[in-house]
Amino acid sequence: AQKITQTQPGMFVQEKEAVTLDCTYDTSDPSYGLFWYKQPSSGEMIFLIYQGSYDQQNATEGRYSLNFQKARKSANLVISASQLGDSAMYFCAMINTGGFKTIFGAGTRLFVKA
Amino acid sequence: EPEVTQTPSHQVTQMGQEVILRCVPISNHLYFYWYRQILGQKVEFLVSFYNNEISEKSEIFDDQFSVERPDGSNFTLKIRSTKLEDSAMYFCASSADSQRGASFELFFGEGSRLTVL
Repeated sequence: AQKITQTQPGMFVQEKEAVTLDCTYDTSDPSYGLFWYKQPSSGEMIFLIYQGSYDQQNATEGRYSLNFQKARKSANLVISASQLGDSAMYFCAMINTGGFKTIFGAGTRLFVKA
Repeated sequence: EPEVTQTPSHQVTQMGQEVILRCVPISNHLYFYWYRQILGQKVEFLVSFYNNEISEKSEIFDDQFSVERPDGSNFTLKIRSTKLEDSAMYFCASSADSQRGASFELFFGEGSRLTVL
């Protein structure tokens, strides 16, 4: 069975510093995709970054990068130069082959301090 | 920029009543999904829909739930007889086609909050 684990229910970071949000996953499927989504207090789900299981390089999107360690089954999100607007809930997610089902972790709430 | 739209944004209903949540996916997308998020909890997969049929569903998606794409643009989720525990935010999402099937990127609507009294 597939599983996503986010062990940090809450994280604090100082504005302008970098922060790493942890995510581990479990799947027996050789082909899968890993995502991070941001959910601000307004409730919408915002796509941040995607990593395919066969991608050789770690994904990067602006200030977001995904530290993909396949052997460890981890897909940590790194946010560089944190901003106050980064305060939100962050969900790690995994999609299976064929793309019919995405499962989400429990989320990490990030608080950025001024 | 194309987006997924959902209506209503908030619905309050009495237990036992039927509810229909509506979604308009991005027009050239072929894969459609419903997720729900109980307040303060994680996002849970309900169902995926492709080629006019359910492709996968979770154990949450029991006989009280149904989905339909009645007219080629709308994608609806119906809950036949609502229960208190159906109170949640319901997200619709869609994704495009790719060489490997559905594109991995999901585009979410802003959600429909359902409150069952």
